[in-house]
Amino acid sequence: DTEVTQTPKHLVMGMTNKKSLKCEQHMGHRAMYWYKQKAKKPPELMFVYSYEKLSINESVPSRFSPECPNSSLLNLHLHALQPEDSALYLCASSQDRNTGELFFGEGSRLTVL
Amino acid sequence: KNQVEQSPQSLIILEGKNCTLQCNYTVSPFSNLRWYKQDTGRGPVSLTIMTFSENTKSNGRYTATLDADTKQSSLHITASQLSDSASYICVVSGTTSGTYKYIFGTGTRLKVLA
Repeated sequence: DTEVTQTPKHLVMGMTNKKSLKCEQHMGHRAMYWYKQKAKKPPELMFVYSYEKLSINESVPSRFSPECPNSSLLNLHLHALQPEDSALYLCASSQDRNTGELFFGEGSRLTVL
Repeated sequence: KNQVEQSPQSLIILEGKNCTLQCNYTVSPFSNLRWYKQDTGRGPVSLTIMTFSENTKSNGRYTATLDADTKQSSLHITASQLSDSASYICVVSGTTSGTYKYIFGTGTRLKVLA
């Protein structure tokens, strides 16, 4: 079983909805990541948090808003999404930004209607 | 330019057969290389992690090799099982444009048939 927990597993939302994806880890990792993965493609990095501060934003549209309330939690707030944003959203964590293995959650499958 | 290239893109083999997946990278400086297995619609799971000084590492029926001189790695799967059907992703850690990153390969989709 993965030690990175993501909820919900599946989410269907309209383009005017506001929803959030949640990620939690209790391994004491200080770096947490959001990735977006389209079918048959490798994961693409969206955001990196290091010690609860946003470290990397890979030019992600503002309709995606990350939040790191504490060292164990990472949220991704979604608003006014487009159908092309439908994808598998993966959360990952590592011991810190510059070392350690990436541990992935099971992902949240997002469908935007 | 993708700094981690995997081949083949997809592969179909019969149950019980062996197969080898390839990963070539140009990431420099190199920190380590990981192979992940990803079942459809699920998160990647780590199979092996290799550092610069390691040549071979095994995890059950999975054996990874690394040649840091030629910047190539392979993942050999022995006596394949139906449950091995998945995507296999090579991830190289290193510094690109001054920032430490995990750089993902394009993946190999493996299908094992009964």
